[in-house]
Amino acid sequence: GQNIDQPTEMTATEGAIVQINCTYQTSGFNGLFWYQQHAGEAPTFLSYNVLDGLEEKGRFSSFLSRSKGYSYLLLKELQMKDSASYLCAALDSNYQLIWGAGTKLIIKP
Amino acid sequence: IAGITQAPTSQILAAGRRMTLRCTQDMRHNAMYWYRQDLGLGLRLIHYSNTAGTTGKGEVPDGYSVSRANTDDFPLTLASAVPSQTSVYFCASSAEAGARTDTQYFGPGTRLTVL
Repeated sequence: GQNIDQPTEMTATEGAIVQINCTYQTSGFNGLFWYQQHAGEAPTFLSYNVLDGLEEKGRFSSFLSRSKGYSYLLLKELQMKDSASYLCAALDSNYQLIWGAGTKLIIKP
Repeated sequence: IAGITQAPTSQILAAGRRMTLRCTQDMRHNAMYWYRQDLGLGLRLIHYSNTAGTTGKGEVPDGYSVSRANTDDFPLTLASAVPSQTSVYFCASSAEAGARTDTQYFGPGTRLTVL
């Protein structure tokens, strides 16, 4: 079956760095997305990776290893507004998005 | 303002009643999607439409129906609501289904409670 695994909850300190991991098993693979979702709001797009390696976008970076079925989202210089859930989703061979349950990130001052 | 709108924002519904959730986008996106989001389960695809005039079933289609008469609108109907359909419903759209870089954009959601 198809499956996405990511930690349920993580806690980090304001100003620090946090890495949110995601492993995926899908029939075929056409890329991996990360979305941010604040409580009570809609998911918003953060990043897309289809090739191995690290993609950097300001304070946020996303990494992909296709051979390991693994991705991570790296958040630097954490701010209180980064408190949110982070959703990992893989695009399978039929171009359907398979979603993880999300990682709730709690930022403490 | 470009984007996706959903209505209503929230609704409390008696079991057995019929309900239509509305979704409209003005980005001229070809593909549209309906998801439900339940605590601890993540987003689950209910139905999708790759282009106006076509629809398809997602992971959890039972009890729901959709139509896509035009590019902009993609209503979701619960024919006879049951308590297990209590959830937050998100509509999303993307420029082109099946594209490798096809990013989905989400509406604000409808919080539905079935009693």
